[in-house]
Amino acid sequence: SQTIHQWPATLVQPVGSPLSLECTVEGTSNPNLYWYRQAAGRGLQLLFYSVGIGQISSEVPQNLSASRPQDRQFILSSKKLLLSDSGFYLCAWSDQSNYGYTFGSGTRLTVV
Amino acid sequence: QKEVEQDPGPLSVPEGAIVSLNCTYSNSAFQYFMWYRQYSRKGPELLMYTYSSGNKEDGRFTAQVDKSSKYISLFIRDSQPSDSATYLCATRSGANNLFFGTGTRLTVIP
Repeated sequence: SQTIHQWPATLVQPVGSPLSLECTVEGTSNPNLYWYRQAAGRGLQLLFYSVGIGQISSEVPQNLSASRPQDRQFILSSKKLLLSDSGFYLCAWSDQSNYGYTFGSGTRLTVV
Repeated sequence: QKEVEQDPGPLSVPEGAIVSLNCTYSNSAFQYFMWYRQYSRKGPELLMYTYSSGNKEDGRFTAQVDKSSKYISLFIRDSQPSDSATYLCATRSGANNLFFGTGTRLTVIP
């Protein structure tokens, strides 16, 4: 069966520090991968999605970047965190049919 | 105008009540409709998936889509305290990405 792993679960980082969040999927190949941010009362905001290795689409201009170095690995990064980067970050995957997204357990990021 | 609008609640009901959760959407091209359940500090999990108009039932849960009015509903019968969570509706057209509602926070009181 397919599983998605996301870590760390919580993270507290100072303003201006770098960020690296990792997501991996098991039990499937060539998944579509997504990074979402969830802010209270604002729902899920799509940040990046990828349909293949090295293929990244950005939905909103921001202080973040994403990379997909391997088929089932998706990384969210920042060179210098801002206070406004605080939030709940979710990785998700879907197969090519986009039937339904399966989400990871999320990373709660607090920038202080 | 947002693609999907959802009343954020919160909604509080007694155990055993019938719960009705609703969303509206703006794009008539949307064909696929989903409901996700999200427990506190967890990722959303897919609860119901429907295509086009009509009803779909799964145990105590019924998803309903009315494309003529662009209205999506989720009904929970015999609600349980374990149903307490945030419920998000989502929709998409074709192979496009999902558009999510902001979520409705539900509390079922024992």
